[in-house]
Amino acid sequence: DAMVIQNPRYQVTQFGKPVTLSCSQTLNHNVMYWYQQKSSQAPKLLFHYYDKDFNNEADTPDNFQSRRPNTSFCFLDIRSPGLGDAAMYLCATSRDLTTDTQYFGPGTRLTVL
Amino acid sequence: KNEVEQSPQNLTAQEGEFITINCSYSVGISALHWLQQHPGGGIVSLFMLSSGKKKHGRLIATINIQEKHSSLHITASHPRDSAVYICAVKVGNTPLVFGKGTRLSVIA
Repeated sequence: DAMVIQNPRYQVTQFGKPVTLSCSQTLNHNVMYWYQQKSSQAPKLLFHYYDKDFNNEADTPDNFQSRRPNTSFCFLDIRSPGLGDAAMYLCATSRDLTTDTQYFGPGTRLTVL
Repeated sequence: KNEVEQSPQNLTAQEGEFITINCSYSVGISALHWLQQHPGGGIVSLFMLSSGKKKHGRLIATINIQEKHSSLHITASHPRDSAVYICAVKVGNTPLVFGKGTRLSVIA
């Protein structure tokens, strides 16, 4: 049974056209994370929510925004995608911020034309 | 700044071989994670360690806190073990710091 679900699995958008990626979880975890992973690189944390508390990484571009309307759902909005934003976007959850295991979704592969 | 180094970067093995992947980090940590990522796929958490050793099936993970070093072992390797294995460390409430991964190919 899927615990962290991401939709869509593949997303194609045009340069500058806003796009929203979706993540949902059935684990009732407090923390949800969004990572960007480019080819052959380690995942890079963009931001995370602890409950409704939003935490943005210092080097996350303003082009990336996030929403968490409730415990189960979290969205990644890319306001004006550039070619450099093409990547795999991974959502993850954990019960808390300290030592708990992170559960990752299958990812959304974003292509920007 | 906490840095995570993995070795080797790439590893090719014959089916049935015993495999070891190493991870070193530079500062004290609260937990270390081993993750598996198949090509084009999401990430699966294999182990979370703060001390000692854990075993799950053919996978064994060990950590030496004093030496700031962890190893992931795969016994009787199989082609389906082919994946990228990532070490990531946690310090308190700070985000996970990831290694660059080890790409493993197991050939039948």
